[in-house]
Amino acid sequence: DTEVTQTPKHLVMGMTNKKSLKCEQHMGHRAMYWYKQKAKKPPELMFVYSYEKLSINESVPSRFSPECPNSSLLNLHLHALQPEDSALYLCASSQEVSGIQETQYFGPGTRLLVL
Amino acid sequence: AQKITQTQPGMFVQEKEAVTLDCTYDTSDQSYGLFWYKQPSSGEMIFLIYQGSYDEQNATEGRYSLNFQKARKSANLVISASQLGDSAMYFCAMRTFYGNNRLAFGKGNQVVVIP
Repeated sequence: DTEVTQTPKHLVMGMTNKKSLKCEQHMGHRAMYWYKQKAKKPPELMFVYSYEKLSINESVPSRFSPECPNSSLLNLHLHALQPEDSALYLCASSQEVSGIQETQYFGPGTRLLVL
Repeated sequence: AQKITQTQPGMFVQEKEAVTLDCTYDTSDQSYGLFWYKQPSSGEMIFLIYQGSYDEQNATEGRYSLNFQKARKSANLVISASQLGDSAMYFCAMRTFYGNNRLAFGKGNQVVVIP
């Protein structure tokens, strides 16, 4: 079962709000990822977790704060976002973080609108 | 550096016909993996097919096949017997041994299947 779930599906927030995006996988994968995707563009990598430790932070602004409470869960905490942060946020997981054959499986995404 | 190029404009395909989506890549690594993903308007990135650089046979998965021409550095996706549900954006992506665990995406090909 290659399923990654994400909640919520849609989120509207003001620039002063604090919200969190959640991602869950039960495939026993040890690598989890956050991507940001603008319309008509490919996904852009934000963060990578390997064995619950942050291994890559692609110079993402501090208003985005990732958290990996356990091997199945990945959160993205949002605070004081800007309208340009409106996008589709995709979570993905793979068996391991390294290896050319490692397939990343994506969740359905959260569509975020910042007003 | 690794680079994926998808340059076809949006495509209209007649239902039940085959369609070929072009993907060329550039890497100096000898060891790499190539992936195709489908993204319908709902947003989820769906993994379709994988080809390793050392795989001698072209990958196939159901109606999807990958026309891998290593010397030309191309990895075209062929979808046979198109269905209305194939309407989506299609992304070609690559991982390399030295690519620091990043999945490099092309810009995508938009496909619309018409009845």
